[in-house]
Amino acid sequence: GAVVSQHPSWVICKSGTSVKIECRSLDFQATTMFWYRQFPKQSLMLMATSNEGSKATYEQGVEKDKFLINHASLTLSTLTVTSAHPEDSSFYICSASRDLTVDIQYFGAGTRLSVL
Amino acid sequence: GQQVMQIPQYQHVQEGEDFTTYCNSSTTLSNIQWYKQRPGGHPVFLIQLVKSGEVKKQKRLTFQFGEAKKNSSLHITATQTTDVGTYFCAGRKGGGNKLTFGTGTQLKVEL
Repeated sequence: GAVVSQHPSWVICKSGTSVKIECRSLDFQATTMFWYRQFPKQSLMLMATSNEGSKATYEQGVEKDKFLINHASLTLSTLTVTSAHPEDSSFYICSASRDLTVDIQYFGAGTRLSVL
Repeated sequence: GQQVMQIPQYQHVQEGEDFTTYCNSSTTLSNIQWYKQRPGGHPVFLIQLVKSGEVKKQKRLTFQFGEAKKNSSLHITATQTTDVGTYFCAGRKGGGNKLTFGTGTQLKVEL
């Protein structure tokens, strides 16, 4: 169990457009979901933490109006990169945890975003 | 803010050799987790350490959590080509559910 699906796995878009990435927990209810960004050969940088039914908590330096996060249900969180620019090109990964005192984070397969 | 550093950044070994990656946090951690990310893949949870001085083993992998709960290590005995990937430690501070990932160690195993 504990499968997290992330879609799309790869997206190319034009500069100025918006891109939505979905993260779903398939076989468990995720009270908390996390969104990370990873540059090539670098570590995972936490962008925001989202809890179902409440506003996301963004990390310092992450623009909340740029990266819109919605956690509408216990199995779905979305990240929308608004007005994307080439510098937003990156690997975005979501993860989900089962409860508030969590232990393990289960990761999605990631979305590779290329902005032209 | 909290920083978690890992050394070495890269390690190339011959198959059968041992490998160790070290993880150091600037602050005391409530627990630490280890993840493995294969090339092109996503992080996969390996283990969690909670107690000061804790040692856990998974087959050829040995994980340690320092006495001060600020450092940890992962040791692989007799590496195999399937061990290739990047190993990340991730620390949790206090009672929060946020993880701070280490800088990672990329392991390459040559035949």
